[in-house]
Amino acid sequence: RKEVEQDPGPFNVPEGATVAFNCTYSNSASQSFFWYRQDCRKEPKLLMSVYSSGNEDGRFTAQLNRASQYISLLIRDSKLSDSATYLCVVIEGGGADGLTFGKGTHLIIQP
Amino acid sequence: EAGVTQSPTHLIKTRGQQATLRCSPISGHTSVYWYQQALGLGLQFLLWYDEGEERNRGNFPPRFSGRQFPNYSSELNVNALELEDSALYLCASSLGLARVFGPGTRLTVL
Repeated sequence: RKEVEQDPGPFNVPEGATVAFNCTYSNSASQSFFWYRQDCRKEPKLLMSVYSSGNEDGRFTAQLNRASQYISLLIRDSKLSDSATYLCVVIEGGGADGLTFGKGTHLIIQP
Repeated sequence: EAGVTQSPTHLIKTRGQQATLRCSPISGHTSVYWYQQALGLGLQFLLWYDEGEERNRGNFPPRFSGRQFPNYSSELNVNALELEDSALYLCASSLGLARVFGPGTRLTVL
C-alpha cells in the first residue's frame, strides 16, 4: 500500500527563523517529487519540484534522500506570508493518476 | 494565458440531490483531473479524462461520474449526495508530471 506521510503540525515558528519538515514515502519505486503550498480554503499551488541533487529557489531548499525514502523542505528567513499548509506529492509512475498526496504540514509564522 | 477555471465557487445541496461541477483546463490541454479534498483528508484522486475519454478513476462509488466535452472542458456529477460528500473539489491540468489546480468548488451537503 502506497503511503506518503507528513507531520501535520502545526509548526509555530517566529518570523525570521529557519524551519524544515520532512515527508516520508513508502514506495521505493517513486520517481518524482514535488512540494505544494496550500493557503486556507484555497487550491494547492506548486512550490517546487524536488531533484535528486537537491535544489534551491530563493529561501526554499528541497532535498531528496532516496536511501531513507524521504524528501525535505527547508525555509530560511521565514516570513509571515509563508504561513500555509505544505503538501508533498510523490509520483510513482504508471497507472491511474500516479500521484499520491500527503495530508500536509501546517506552518504558522508568528510575528 | 488563462489557468484552470472552475464553477461554481460554492455549491450548497441537500442529501439525495445531485451536484454538477464544471472545469475548463489550461488552454490547449487535453487532460482534466478531478480530486476531492475533504476536511482532514489529503487530496483523493477521483477521475481522469483525456481526449473526451475517461482514462481512469479513483476509489469512489459510481455515483461520482463525469464527462469531457469536445472543447476539453469537463463536468463532474455527484448523484444521491451524502453528507460526507462535503468537500473541496479540485480540477487540474498537467504541468509536466505535476498538476496545476483550479480554484476549486466547495460543495456543502446539508
